[in-house]
Amino acid sequence: DGGITQSPKYLFRKEGQNVTLSCEQNLNHDAMYWYRQDPGQGLRLIYYSQIVNDFQKGDIAEGYSVSREKKESFPLTVTSAQKNPTAFYLCASRTTGGEKLFFGSGTQLSVL
Amino acid sequence: GIQVEQSPPDLILQEGANSTLRCNFSDSVNNLQWFHQNPWGQLINLFYIPSGTKQNGRLSATTVATERYSLLYISSSQTTDSGVYFCAVGERGFRQTGANNLFFGTGTRLTVIP
Repeated sequence: DGGITQSPKYLFRKEGQNVTLSCEQNLNHDAMYWYRQDPGQGLRLIYYSQIVNDFQKGDIAEGYSVSREKKESFPLTVTSAQKNPTAFYLCASRTTGGEKLFFGSGTQLSVL
Repeated sequence: GIQVEQSPPDLILQEGANSTLRCNFSDSVNNLQWFHQNPWGQLINLFYIPSGTKQNGRLSATTVATERYSLLYISSSQTTDSGVYFCAVGERGFRQTGANNLFFGTGTRLTVIP
């Protein structure tokens, strides 16, 4: 089945630790996105990538980093500089040449 | 960025009832999408509708871009319709260079009771 796979579903971070959230898609989509969702809020854009080896900051990029070495993969690292990392993180991709966004099932990150 | 307001914030319906969800936005848009987030967090794209009207089964949506609002209609609601409905808008289509963000509203939480 084609889709967007995020792992792990739940992740816990200790103080001062970097953690990496995985996002893989087999839809052959060029563009990929990372969003953050806080309770009772809408989604906010962290980073996006339109093609391999290129990515751009979104509205809330501070404390996060990404890479795009393969078309299928767009991992997000939450660094120790992100002081309030507890949130639900959603990865999305966009149909090539299209407008609709499709989402993975999300990763809930919590701080120990 | 564009401000997006959704109403009502919460809605409780009896199974079989109809409902209308509203999305107001503060500026001209060329990209508007409706999403449903189920209780497990999965977001499903319902409509891409920057203008006009579309229908998909029991769901339909209308966007009046000149008046800066969109409506999502749910008819004969079912318990599986429960969740949060988000409206998201963008100033320009994704295909235009640099226009890669959608601004999300805070959603309408729908609960359908049997």
